[in-house]
Amino acid sequence: GQNIDQPTEMTATEGAIVQINCTYQTSGFNGLFWYQQHAGEAPTFLSYNVLDGLEEKGRFSSFLSRSKGYSYLLLKELQMKDSASYLCAVRGRDDKIIFGKGTRLHILP
Amino acid sequence: ETGVTQTPRHLVMGMTNKKSLKCEQHLGHNAMYWYKQSAKKPLELMFVYNFKEQTENNSVPSRFSPECPNSSHLFLHLHTLQPEDSALYLCASSQDHARTVSNQPQHFGDGTRLSIL
Repeated sequence: GQNIDQPTEMTATEGAIVQINCTYQTSGFNGLFWYQQHAGEAPTFLSYNVLDGLEEKGRFSSFLSRSKGYSYLLLKELQMKDSASYLCAVRGRDDKIIFGKGTRLHILP
Repeated sequence: ETGVTQTPRHLVMGMTNKKSLKCEQHLGHNAMYWYKQSAKKPLELMFVYNFKEQTENNSVPSRFSPECPNSSHLFLHLHTLQPEDSALYLCASSQDHARTVSNQPQHFGDGTRLSIL
């Protein structure tokens, strides 16, 4: 079967660094996406990885290891506005995009 | 402004009602999607339209009926829904659904919060 696992909730402190992990088992692999979703709002695109390694985009970085079926999203210099759910999604061989349940991140002052 | 607009934002309906959800995208995309988002569950893909043609129906009950009159508009017609259909319904669009542009992210609307009485 196809499955994407990520922690349900995490808590971190303003100014700190947090790493949100995602592991997947899917039929084929054509890329992994991370989205941010604030409560009551649309998910917004953060990053895309298809090759192994780290992609950096400002305060956010995303890492992929295809052999391990593993990715993480790294958020640096956390701000209160980073409190949101973070969704990991994988595009499989048949182009279907499967989403994880999301990780709700709470930022404490 | 996300470029994908959904109306209404909130909808309360009885089980015997008929209503429609509307989605419009202003991004020039060719693929549009309907997703269901329930509490503590992952986003569930319902339907995919690519160049106005339905390319995917993810075993969705017939009480949900999609319509895509053109690449910019997508509807979800609702009829005799059940209480378990209460959820957030999200519309999304992307440049194309083909693998050749697989790095294209989906752009989501803010969703319609649907409550079935």
